[in-house]
Amino acid sequence: DTEVTQTPKHLVMGMTNKKSLKCEQHMGHRAMYWYKQKAKKPPELMFVYSYEKLSINESVPSRFSPECPNSSLLNLHLHALQPEDSALYLCASSQGHLAGAGETQYFGPGTRLLVL
Amino acid sequence: KQEVTQIPAALSVPEGENLVLNCSFTDSAIYNLQWFRQDPGKGLTSLLLIQSSQREQTSGRLNASLDKSSGRSTLYIAASQPGDSATYLCATHYGGSQGNLIFGKGTKLSVKP
Repeated sequence: DTEVTQTPKHLVMGMTNKKSLKCEQHMGHRAMYWYKQKAKKPPELMFVYSYEKLSINESVPSRFSPECPNSSLLNLHLHALQPEDSALYLCASSQGHLAGAGETQYFGPGTRLLVL
Repeated sequence: KQEVTQIPAALSVPEGENLVLNCSFTDSAIYNLQWFRQDPGKGLTSLLLIQSSQREQTSGRLNASLDKSSGRSTLYIAASQPGDSATYLCATHYGGSQGNLIFGKGTKLSVKP
């Protein structure tokens, strides 16, 4: 299984809602990532988890809260979002064995989020 | 700060043509460079990864080269097909921390039948 899955595919939420995005991989990877991609822009890194611990937070607002309950699962909890948070949210994973060195990252199909 | 630039921003070619996409980066201290394909509204598909010690990688009709000293990479697509139409992104894995993947803005390729 060389796939990263993300649910839901689409999400519409109001600014007072609480919702969660889910990402799953069964490749035995120990590093997982959240990226945000605005329309016609490249992906931007938000968070990195390494061995279920948060290792990088790219100064993301606290209304985005990541969680890694186990090595296969990565969640992104959303609360009190703004319309400008509307974007494609991409999850990725990599082996996680090479600390500090580059590894091939495998991306999921993304969740398209619209905040009204 | 690493900056990745891709030229051209958009490219339209007739089917069967060979083409080259360009990627340049400002800081040569990279671990590797990765080329991705993205279809509209979809996630990223990894095409090729070149380690900093390598000069090129090939997969089928795709060939990616890396000249780290000059801060350049090219993606060569042979005998283009309409199914190759997509946005192609290059990204450098930069710095000492995991996950620090810096993307270019991409080249939108359209292959006309």
